[in-house]
Amino acid sequence: NAGVTQTPKFRVLKTGQSMTLLCAQDMNHEYMYWYRQDPGMGLRLIHYSVGEGTTAKGEVPDGYNVSRLKKQNFLLGLESAAPSQTSVYFCASKVGTGAGAEAFFGQGTRLTVV
Amino acid sequence: EDQVTQSPEALRLQEGESSSLNCSYTVSGLRGLFWYRQDPGKGPEFLFTLYSAGEEKEKERLKATLTKKESFLHITAPKPEDSATYLCAVQAAATDSWGKFQFGAGTQVVVTP
Repeated sequence: NAGVTQTPKFRVLKTGQSMTLLCAQDMNHEYMYWYRQDPGMGLRLIHYSVGEGTTAKGEVPDGYNVSRLKKQNFLLGLESAAPSQTSVYFCASKVGTGAGAEAFFGQGTRLTVV
Repeated sequence: EDQVTQSPEALRLQEGESSSLNCSYTVSGLRGLFWYRQDPGKGPEFLFTLYSAGEEKEKERLKATLTKKESFLHITAPKPEDSATYLCAVQAAATDSWGKFQFGAGTQVVVTP
């Protein structure tokens, strides 16, 4: 059982380049989330999805877009990368919003924008 | 606005030296408080969920407790393999919260032999 898989694991971008991060889960979870993790700031929510074809903004959405065309996949896009987007990105999924529904996390994508 | 504050930021322990981590929170109705462990270069790994004040949960050398304002993660007789960053997160009870977590910044624990 793979759980939550993120690709790629590492990436270096030049300022202004674009890229897409892929998150895939095999647990049939409805809810999926993209977080970024920066030193001393904890995990901050970028965008999330409550089902196939639905997405919403989180705490720090600027500069990012997302799509959820299939239930198992959640894509995070950077249209024009900036050095401020250098971070570690984590995808998570949950079965629902009920009490006790813990989130399962991927292994992360380390992105450096130069 | 939901807030989670963890203290201390870092903790260095000798093997066998018990200690506690603190997670203070403010949330408009608590649906659940979650503890995660994160090893370097890895994603967070689920440890516990606590739902209401007075609740306690244990797993090996870890014990989590919850009050109306804070949660503690007690590490009893830690071993070097307990070295990790411990993250606390809350989920609000509001129906429009969509299961989102508000995370604290974490406590980095180093246990030396």
